Amino acid sequence: NAGVTQTPKFQVLKTGQSMTLQCAQDMNHNSMYWYRQDPGMGLRLIYYSASEGTTDKGEVPNGYNVSRLNKREFSLRLESAAPSQTSVYFCATHRGADRVAQETQYFGPGTRLLVL
Amino acid sequence: LAKTTQPISMDSYEGQEVNITCSHNNIATNDYITWYQQFPSQGPRFIIQGYKTKVTNEVASLFIPADRKSSTLSLPRVSLSDTAVYYCLVGDRGFNKFYFGSGTKLNVKP
Repeated sequence: NAGVTQTPKFQVLKTGQSMTLQCAQDMNHNSMYWYRQDPGMGLRLIYYSASEGTTDKGEVPNGYNVSRLNKREFSLRLESAAPSQTSVYFCATHRGADRVAQETQYFGPGTRLLVL
Repeated sequence: LAKTTQPISMDSYEGQEVNITCSHNNIATNDYITWYQQFPSQGPRFIIQGYKTKVTNEVASLFIPADRKSSTLSLPRVSLSDTAVYYCLVGDRGFNKFYFGSGTKLNVKP
């Protein structure tokens, strides 16, 4: 099992360009998340999807859109990239059972994005 | 949401026991406490989780007092490879969100 995979691993964009970060999981988890991590900082939640067909905003959703394509895939789109979006982006999954707090999240390897 | 507070950084030496304390004064009755470890250029990974008293696994121990307003992650006999950032999270049951905070950067010296 691959667990959580992210593509691409690294991307350079110019200001104003758009791109989509892909995340896929083979763990049959219901919930998926997108975080960003700026240098020397903790993770901040951008968007999450509690289950297939639903998405909700996290702490820092501005400038991003998401799509929960199916149970396996959760994409993050930057419509018009800005230098402030330079960061490492992590996708994570969670089983999403009723007793949510008892379960752990599983993270992908991250996508490093540089916006010039 | 239960907010967590941790020290920004800690230093230790190889072979020592390290205790990292996290404050979570507003923890809810059904919340669990989870600790993650993150190495540079990697995503966080689960270390340990608990609800009350003490939990121990092959990597760490987690001590939670009766009032559950704080918790302490204990790493026995750390090595250089334990140098990482450690995050304390309090589960937000029902809303399915997880907030990480800034974590504690542990630096283990030879």
